Amino acid sequence: GAVVSQHPSWVICKSGTSVKIECRSLDFQATTMFWYRQFPKQSLMLMATSNEGSKATYEQGVEKDKFLINHASLTLSTLTVTSAHPEDSSFYICSARDRGSGTYEQYFGPGTRLTVT
Amino acid sequence: GIQVEQSPPDLILQEGANSTLRCNFSDSVNNLQWFHQNPWGQLINLFYIPSGTKQNGRLSATTVATERYSLLYISSSQTTDSGVYFCAVERAGANNLFFGTGTRLTVIP
Repeated sequence: GAVVSQHPSWVICKSGTSVKIECRSLDFQATTMFWYRQFPKQSLMLMATSNEGSKATYEQGVEKDKFLINHASLTLSTLTVTSAHPEDSSFYICSARDRGSGTYEQYFGPGTRLTVT
Repeated sequence: GIQVEQSPPDLILQEGANSTLRCNFSDSVNNLQWFHQNPWGQLINLFYIPSGTKQNGRLSATTVATERYSLLYISSSQTTDSGVYFCAVERAGANNLFFGTGTRLTVIP
């Protein structure tokens, strides 16, 4: 149980285009979903937190107009990188908290590797 | 914000050896998780352990919340244990996990 999927696994796009990444909780309902970014050989940094039906809360320094987050249902959140640039190239990982677990445990997706050329 | 320090930063072990990884944190937490990040980037949940002791096969973990540290024990290490181990904590009321800098483990045959 507690499986989180992400799509796509990897994507290459040209500078100036937009890319959408999907995060789904497959076997549970997620009250809250989280988006992280990881640069090579570094730790994970939280970008934003989203609750179903609400606006996302962004961490300091993360541009909300550039990284659009939509949490339309209890099983789906999307991250859209708008007007991507090479410095946006990174590993993006989502996680979700199980609404029914009664705990604070988070479950992580397999990540999406974005390369902007 | 909360500070999370992991030690050691790097560890090289001979296959079969035991090891202890440490995670110190600076504030009260209601969530502490240990992860193993494999070479493909996938984070594998090892333990959800805001307090107490748990064991799963060759791995075990202990969190002493009152002293603000957690330990991950790996016994009889195997080459497949190689990767980066992260400790992540959530401060009470914070609603997000904060990751430590990780311990990079290399197990050599």
